[in-house]
Amino acid sequence: NAGVTQNPKFQVLKTGQSMTLQCAQDMNHNSMYWYRQDPGMGLRLIYYSASEGTTDKGEVPNGYNVSRLNKREFSLRLESAAPSQTSVYFCASSTDRGAGELFFGEGSRLTVL
Amino acid sequence: GENVEQHPSTLSVQEGDSAVIKCTYSDSASNYFPWYKQELGKRPQLIIDIRSNVGEKKDQRIAVTLNKTAKHFSLHITETQPEDSAVYFCAAKGDTGRRALTFGSGTRLQVQP
Repeated sequence: NAGVTQNPKFQVLKTGQSMTLQCAQDMNHNSMYWYRQDPGMGLRLIYYSASEGTTDKGEVPNGYNVSRLNKREFSLRLESAAPSQTSVYFCASSTDRGAGELFFGEGSRLTVL
Repeated sequence: GENVEQHPSTLSVQEGDSAVIKCTYSDSASNYFPWYKQELGKRPQLIIDIRSNVGEKKDQRIAVTLNKTAKHFSLHITETQPEDSAVYFCAAKGDTGRRALTFGSGTRLQVQP
């Protein structure tokens, strides 16, 4: 099993460009999440999907959109990137709506110039 | 929503000493409290978790204690080793409202040989 796979691992964008971060899990988990990690601020929840067909906003959703394409895949889209979105993005999945172990992907380092 | 505060932000100990990291949470309905370890450049990984019906849980050199009345929980690492050096995150989640983990800001633990 590959676990949680994220792509791309690294990306540099110019302000105003758009991009999509892809995430897929092969553990048959119902719930999937997108977090961003910034120095000194821990992991902050952007969006999550408790089950296929549902998505909900987290703590810092502004500037992002998500799509739960199917049970395996959960993508994060930046429509018009801003320097404040420079961060490391982690996708994660779990079996039980967060009250169980979160399995994280390797992370995607995004720089917006 | 849930708010989790974590202290200290950095902690340096001598090899063999104990380390304690403390977290407080705001939502009295929270009932799941995991701890994650993140080594440099790696993804966060679960090291121990506790649910609200338990006051303490141990796993070899690590233990977590929970005080629901005071709304705080702590991670204890005994006989620290250099490989314990990492960033540690606490988190909390309840069954109502946002069904996803809220993380603390992290503690960078440095174990000096």
